Amino acid sequence: DADVTQTPRNRITKTGKRIMLECSQTKGHDRMYWYRQDPGLGLRLIYYSFDVKDINKGEISDGYSVSRQAQAKFSLSLESAIPNQTALYFCATSSSTGVNYEQYFGPGTRLTVT
Amino acid sequence: QKEVEQDPGPLSVPEGAIVSLNCTYSNSAFQYFMWYRQYSRKGPELLMYTYSSGNKEDGRFTAQVDKSSKYISLFIRDSQPSDSATYLCAMSAPGNNRLAFGKGNQVVVIP
Repeated sequence: DADVTQTPRNRITKTGKRIMLECSQTKGHDRMYWYRQDPGLGLRLIYYSFDVKDINKGEISDGYSVSRQAQAKFSLSLESAIPNQTALYFCATSSSTGVNYEQYFGPGTRLTVT
Repeated sequence: QKEVEQDPGPLSVPEGAIVSLNCTYSNSAFQYFMWYRQYSRKGPELLMYTYSSGNKEDGRFTAQVDKSSKYISLFIRDSQPSDSATYLCAMSAPGNNRLAFGKGNQVVVIP
């Protein structure tokens, strides 16, 4: 079974709709991240969380919100989706007890906003 | 200027060739240097990491870091079709809590 899972894997939604992407992990890591990946732009950090009570904005947080429901669960919400939020979204985890360099990524959610 | 620059142009090579990828960076505080590999429709996975300057070899893969030039490289020897993927460089500074990624290079190894 995958250590980092994301649901849904694909989603098509309309402009203005609220959508939630979910991430779960069984690695026992305390740190979790949300990224989006766009062609030619690479991976960009949206939000990150170091524990259940710690949430931080990344470089492109506008239009997004997150919730850390438990150590193992971190969800990303688009309150009112717009077409330029069409992208591939990745959740990642890492451990504060190890060197911070390694992040473990989920399989991604392909989101299309029409 | 972005913290990490990686020319995202695709790279096609014949099987058996040496693949050379590189990134430059501007933040002199970076100490941890990584290469992630991402197959199509998959999440990135760590391929190699290097702490500070120097070389590191793992099978057909070699990572090099030149901190004086703020330049890192990844070499793939005897490239195989299974090496076809996107390669992303990533870096982190001690005490910093996030990775700075390059845009990624798509590599295609032609049989």
